[in-house]
Amino acid sequence: AQTVTQSQPEMSVQEAETVTLSCTYDTSESDYYLFWYKQPPSRQMILVIRQEAYKQQNATENRFSVNFQKAAKSFSLKISDSQLGDAAMYFCAAGEAGGTSYGKLTFGQGTILTVHP
Amino acid sequence: EPEVTQTPSHQVTQMGQEVILRCVPISNHLYFYWYRQILGQKVEFLVSFYNNEISEKSEIFDDQFSVERPDGSNFTLKIRSTKLEDSAMYFCASSVNRGLDEQYFGPGTRLTVT
Repeated sequence: AQTVTQSQPEMSVQEAETVTLSCTYDTSESDYYLFWYKQPPSRQMILVIRQEAYKQQNATENRFSVNFQKAAKSFSLKISDSQLGDAAMYFCAAGEAGGTSYGKLTFGQGTILTVHP
Repeated sequence: EPEVTQTPSHQVTQMGQEVILRCVPISNHLYFYWYRQILGQKVEFLVSFYNNEISEKSEIFDDQFSVERPDGSNFTLKIRSTKLEDSAMYFCASSVNRGLDEQYFGPGTRLTVT
């Protein structure tokens, strides 16, 4: 079983600044994946970035990067050079890599990000 | 770019009625999922479907719910005898493989039970 916790219900950032969204998780699995999804007001879920737990190198996608601390079970998302279009709800999610799971994602509670011009 | 589609975008139904939510996954994807998001709450896994059968389901997915892939393109979620607490956004997702593969989400169907 997996649990995902996002302790920041809301965050705000000035345009062009950097913001970090926190996520912690708990899992009994040795092999798993972590994701950040973005949900804009349209409610569509969009993948932002993914991380394989067995990889030590932090994933990066353009302005988005993660700080994956496996021992601490922490998976934070850093958004650099924030843009108005980054304003959305951000969900951290964990997925099991195999075993009895067929791709089930466990989501955190979400963090609402506001970007100020 | 291929995308997952869902119909209808909004469904209003009376308590006790049956509803069918429809999804068309991306054509070469093999794994299909339904998730639910009650307003203001987290997204919750309902069920995964692979090779024409349920591969995993959550405690939420009881006898009231069923899924089907009636043809080569559609993937449906049926909710029998709807209750007020079934009001939520229902998301369909699909992926090529399980695990690291990105799950592509549809735009969701907002179900309102009155």
